Amino acid sequence: DVKVTQSSRYLVKRTGEKVFLECVQDMDHENMFWYRQDPGLGLRLIYFSYDVKMKEKGDIPEGYSVSREKKERFSLILESASTNQTSMYLCASSLWGGGRGRSEAFFGQGTRLTVV
Amino acid sequence: TQLLEQSPQFLSIQEGENLTVYCNSSSVFSSLQWYRQEPGEGPVLLVTVVTGGEVKKLKRLTFQFGDARKDSSLHITAAQPGDTGLYLCAGGGSSYKLIFGSGTRLLVRP
Repeated sequence: DVKVTQSSRYLVKRTGEKVFLECVQDMDHENMFWYRQDPGLGLRLIYFSYDVKMKEKGDIPEGYSVSREKKERFSLILESASTNQTSMYLCASSLWGGGRGRSEAFFGQGTRLTVV
Repeated sequence: TQLLEQSPQFLSIQEGENLTVYCNSSSVFSSLQWYRQEPGEGPVLLVTVVTGGEVKKLKRLTFQFGDARKDSSLHITAAQPGDTGLYLCAGGGSSYKLIFGSGTRLLVRP
């Protein structure tokens, strides 16, 4: 089974802190994604990466950055946390995509981040 | 911009009832996935459909991909409380990204 593991289930951080959310996948998937999920707004894509050291902005990248130094690991960084970044953060990976075939995403268990 | 609209947004039914959830778009997708998400957890993939008109069954769940590959439906027969959750459809195309629908929140009452 594909396993996507997020480093924390719950986090509480203070406004202005730099926050790191880590995600690791064990199935050699090329693509990795970070989403946030808020009530009434669905899943919104923050950033994604289709290869090591490659990244592309999603729909809501402001206030976030990412790092992918190794294929299996994709980190989301909140440069200076703010209260409006309180949310559920979901990491996902997929094997294909980009028109090359099935693009199923496999998700981690989520990180519920609260910024106070 | 590709969009996927799901309906209904909310559904509350009694155990044993049948239901259908719809996922519609004006865009063509090369594949379409359905996920179920339980509270506090990440979405879990249920099925992928790739061929127009394709029907897949997963126990009491039946998934259909429209002939034109623009829409899909999920039908649950004899719903059980364990079916409770958020159901998400997602479309794949030429991009690496999946386009997610807004979700249908299902509550099955015992």
